[in-house]
Amino acid sequence: SAVISQKPSRDICQRGTSLTIQCQVDSQVTMMFWYRQQPGQSLTLIATANQGSEATYESGFVIDKFPISRPNLTFSTLTVSNMSPEDSSIYLCSVKHRASGYTDTQYFGPGTRLTVL
Amino acid sequence: GENVEQHPSTLSVQEGDSAVIKCTYSDSASNYFPWYKQELGKRPQLIIDIRSNVGEKKDQRIAVTLNKTAKHFSLHITETQPEDSAVYFCAASTEDGTSYGKLTFGQGTILTVHP
Repeated sequence: SAVISQKPSRDICQRGTSLTIQCQVDSQVTMMFWYRQQPGQSLTLIATANQGSEATYESGFVIDKFPISRPNLTFSTLTVSNMSPEDSSIYLCSVKHRASGYTDTQYFGPGTRLTVL
Repeated sequence: GENVEQHPSTLSVQEGDSAVIKCTYSDSASNYFPWYKQELGKRPQLIIDIRSNVGEKKDQRIAVTLNKTAKHFSLHITETQPEDSAVYFCAASTEDGTSYGKLTFGQGTILTVHP
């Protein structure tokens, strides 16, 4: 399986500021995703991070609010911009990884717990 | 787009009993159905998955069944143990060849196994 790390693991931020979350994978992966999980809720896909091109955003999420970078096949960042308390959530990086001879499996990073005051 | 409904939202069982969680999906093109377990404060972990070319898959105490005609799939846990207590999420996606697209998740089921 792919080993995924995220930084920071948690943060407390003031409204109006921005936070950039980093996701690092120990192997090259075809696709990387960013999810949001609000307290007690399911996982909601924010966007698919595409290497070398703009991210593909889901309905309800826009690039100005959640800019994403993916400079290579092992790294991506998600920025939460101009934060409000409603952005308080856990943000999870996820990757599709293919073990030799098998089909893709999706793994999740440990998450970043964001609190906006 | 795809919509996945999951039931029940909470499930409480005694240790040793079986637990069943059911999901229905809306997109008939969906052909890949993973299940994730998320313990409190931890990341979701894949526990089992099934593709539409089979009707059932087992892994020790865990099994998943799929009914493509009715568009529903279920997770079965036998001989439950307290460490099975967690939130379980089903998901659906369309897989083509060796890859699949985005996962749509169900709402989650909080499973509590009482000793």
